[in-house]
Amino acid sequence: KNQVEQSPQSLIILEGKNCTLQCNYTVSPFSNLRWYKQDTGRGPVSLTIMTFSENTKSNGRYTATLDADTKQSSLHITASQLSDSASYICVVSGGGGFKTIFGAGTRLFVKA
Amino acid sequence: NAGVTQTPKFQVLKTGQSMTLQCAQDMNHEYMSWYRQDPGMGLRLIHYSVGAGITDQGEVPNGYNVSRSTTEDFPLRLLSAAPSQTSVYFCASSYSWVESSYEQYFGPGTRLTVT
Repeated sequence: KNQVEQSPQSLIILEGKNCTLQCNYTVSPFSNLRWYKQDTGRGPVSLTIMTFSENTKSNGRYTATLDADTKQSSLHITASQLSDSASYICVVSGGGGFKTIFGAGTRLFVKA
Repeated sequence: NAGVTQTPKFQVLKTGQSMTLQCAQDMNHEYMSWYRQDPGMGLRLIHYSVGAGITDQGEVPNGYNVSRSTTEDFPLRLLSAAPSQTSVYFCASSYSWVESSYEQYFGPGTRLTVT
């Protein structure tokens, strides 16, 4: 069964600290993996998109990694800011066409 | 560009009522889709469209209808609202459906409560 599992469910960190969010998937065949940021009451906004051949992609303080062999991805946030408080969603596309599987997300709280 | 717009932002319905959630995009995107987001779950695909006049069912289509008469608009109709349809609904669009690596843009969402 195609699944995307994210951990932890929620995370609290202090402003300025780094953190890493995890995503494990079983979607096959694999096409690409995206990370989205979703602020409360808003729609998801794309952070990174990685295909099979890419193992790292950065977007400012956000760095995503992909290990297609172990079917794992991580999102690393450097020097967190209060504005990073949001849900982070891992999405895997595969199985041909536009089939996408969304993870349930990790809720990140950054405290001053 | 306004991007993807959705109306209304909030809606309360009584069981059995019908309504239409509006979605529009001004990016000339071929692919549009509707998702629902429930607590503790990932977004789930309701219906999608790969172009004007072409629609298909997603993962959870029951109780919903769609049509795509223009490239810009993709309304979602609730035929007879049920409490199980209480959710946040997101419309999204993308340049192409053939290559899934194109970025998908989401609207701000419609929060629907059915009593």
